[in-house]
Amino acid sequence: QQQVKQSPQSLIVQKGGIPIINCAYENTAFDYFPWYQQFPGKGPALLIAIRPDVSEKKEGRFTISFNKSAKQFSLHIMDSQPGDSATYFCAGGPSNTGKLIFGQGTTLQVKP
Amino acid sequence: DGGITQSPKYLFRKEGQNVTLSCEQNLNHDAMYWYRQDPGQGLRLIYYSQIVNDFQKGDIAEGYSVSREKKESFPLTVTSAQKNPTAFYLCASTDGLWDYGYTFGSGTRLTVV
Repeated sequence: QQQVKQSPQSLIVQKGGIPIINCAYENTAFDYFPWYQQFPGKGPALLIAIRPDVSEKKEGRFTISFNKSAKQFSLHIMDSQPGDSATYFCAGGPSNTGKLIFGQGTTLQVKP
Repeated sequence: DGGITQSPKYLFRKEGQNVTLSCEQNLNHDAMYWYRQDPGQGLRLIYYSQIVNDFQKGDIAEGYSVSREKKESFPLTVTSAQKNPTAFYLCASTDGLWDYGYTFGSGTRLTVV
């Protein structure tokens, strides 16, 4: 009930490609789903977040797609750049507790 | 600039020793969190505090202790009871509002020697 499962574990794309990272959750009480970007040796930084009342959210080159009935959500990175090479974490949680459960992370490499 | 400061950046612990990791924030956030990061396992919640003088165990609290005597500070002690403490430790905070998001510190890398 508390898990957030993330795939793939690692991903390599060419510059300009569209990497897609998928996550699935189990707990229907979760109502907040953020994505974090982490560079080596640094703390994660909030990238984009979505709530279950919308099916898609875009911020710049980053898009979250959300499927409430399937309890799945995904991150798409349009026109990916070498500077996007990082580890990406999805997360979910109930906003009344402030607790987030994180996925296992996806290491993305964008080749020039 | 507002943010979260974690110190030290690197910490070495001998067997049987307790060590304390510092986390200080000047964001005026009510809630603070400690996560542990291991390769391939994502971030796992150790302890969290939503208000001063109150804190709750997370998913992997055994071998750890915390205190929250001030709003700005949430130190984590890794005790000798934690058998596998080598990891990257992250502190985070949030204002707890509807569109909350965590602000993370830069982390402390703890190694057992």
